[in-house]
Parts: sequence; C-alpha cells; structure tokens
Amino acid sequence: SSELTQDPAVSVALGQTVRITCQGDSLRRYYPTWYQQKPGQAPVLVIYGNNKRPSGIPDRFSGSSSGNTGSLTITGAQAEDEADYHCSSRDSSGYPHVLFGGGTKVTVL
Amino acid sequence: QLQLQESGPGVLKPSETLSLACSVSGGSVADTTYYWGWIRQPPGKGLEWIAAVYYTGNTYYSPSLKNRVTISIDTSKNLFSLNLSSVTAADTAVYYCARLLSEWDRLGARGIDAFEIWGHGTVFIASS
Repeated sequence: SSELTQDPAVSVALGQTVRITCQGDSLRRYYPTWYQQKPGQAPVLVIYGNNKRPSGIPDRFSGSSSGNTGSLTITGAQAEDEADYHCSSRDSSGYPHVLFGGGTKVTVL
Repeated sequence: QLQLQESGPGVLKPSETLSLACSVSGGSVADTTYYWGWIRQPPGKGLEWIAAVYYTGNTYYSPSLKNRVTISIDTSKNLFSLNLSSVTAADTAVYYCARLLSEWDRLGARGIDAFEIWGHGTVFIASS
C-alpha cells in the first residue's frame, strides 16, 4: 500500500517515556523520517535515517524501525515536546516521492 | 545558514492558477546533494507532499496532484517555483518549501528521504 498510518493522539506524563509509531509497507524499504510541528510553526526534522538527529535536536529523541513499523521514542518527555509529530518515507515507486502519515498529537501531562 | 522563503498571492478565486516561489539564501539550489520540494497543510490537517525538483530540472509529482502541478527550478536566480492550476477550496492550505535529502544508507540497502530545512510557509486561500 502507499500509506503511512499513525495514531491520532497519545499522552505522556512529564518525565516519562512515550513511543509514537508509523506503519506502512514502504517502511520495509525506506527509513521513516520524523518531524515535530508546534502550533503555527513549520515542521522541524527530528529523526532521519538510521536514528540520526540533526544538530540541536535533544538526545531524548530516538528512532527505530522494524518490518513495516517505524517508531519515535521520547525518553523523559518535557513540556516543550508537546506537539504534532509527523512520519514520512519515500513511497514504493523508487523515485523521490514522499508519503506523510496523518500525524500524532502528543500531549505532555 | 540556509534559509528558504516562500512567496505567493495569498488569495485567488476558484479556477485560477496558484504560483508560488521559494527563494533560497545561504546555499545553492544547484547543490548536487539535494532535491527541493513543496509540501502543503490544509487547516487542521496533516502534511501532504506535492512535488520535488532536482537542479538538473528532473521533476517528481504526487500522483494525486500531478495533473494540475508544475514545479521548476531557476539556478540563475537561486529559487524554485510551483504552479497549481484550477484551484478549488480544497487547495486552501499553508504551503511550505523545503530542502530534501534523498539518499541511500552506506550499504545501499535502505533509502533515506528527509526534508531537512523548511521555509516558514505561506498561507493560500481559494475563495470567491
């Protein structure tokens, strides 16, 4: 299939760990990429490739992938981590065609 | 530091053609490492990839929009552009431009596609 599926919303207590998942057939061939988006702002890349973090992204963010499922884990969630998280990957065409998941709203309690 | 800045008309009537430009500063659209792309986000919804272009002029389109979209690149002006024809209310969204890293891991086993740097976005409303 050419879709990426995310849970619409998850919540996490301050300081605890939350895992956000993304499912799709394309993830068997392509790494999931993760973006954080806060209200009124552009998305920010947080994880790409084999658990790579761009400069400035805290190491409490980590990524993994197995089979058709990719995961973003926030270990020790902070209040500022409350945001929408979007996953993406290339689709199965082999060309740089990008798929996005529907996004997951993370609430820090 | 690379920066991208979108520009566009803001509001158009249905059936008109939306033209957007993304000006790049602090780097070159002719950088062979990257593609350049457009993404949109309707109000209250998720992200939707629209199109991508390489400095050579090679273009890639979302299957759902390819009949109405044209992306182009101008290396002399260091910008890339998007045209979306026959707009309707469903095209109302924030439109973002971004730099796309598209490569394979060291083993060549898995692909990596990441929009590394984004513009702030430009709001477009299709309304009569």
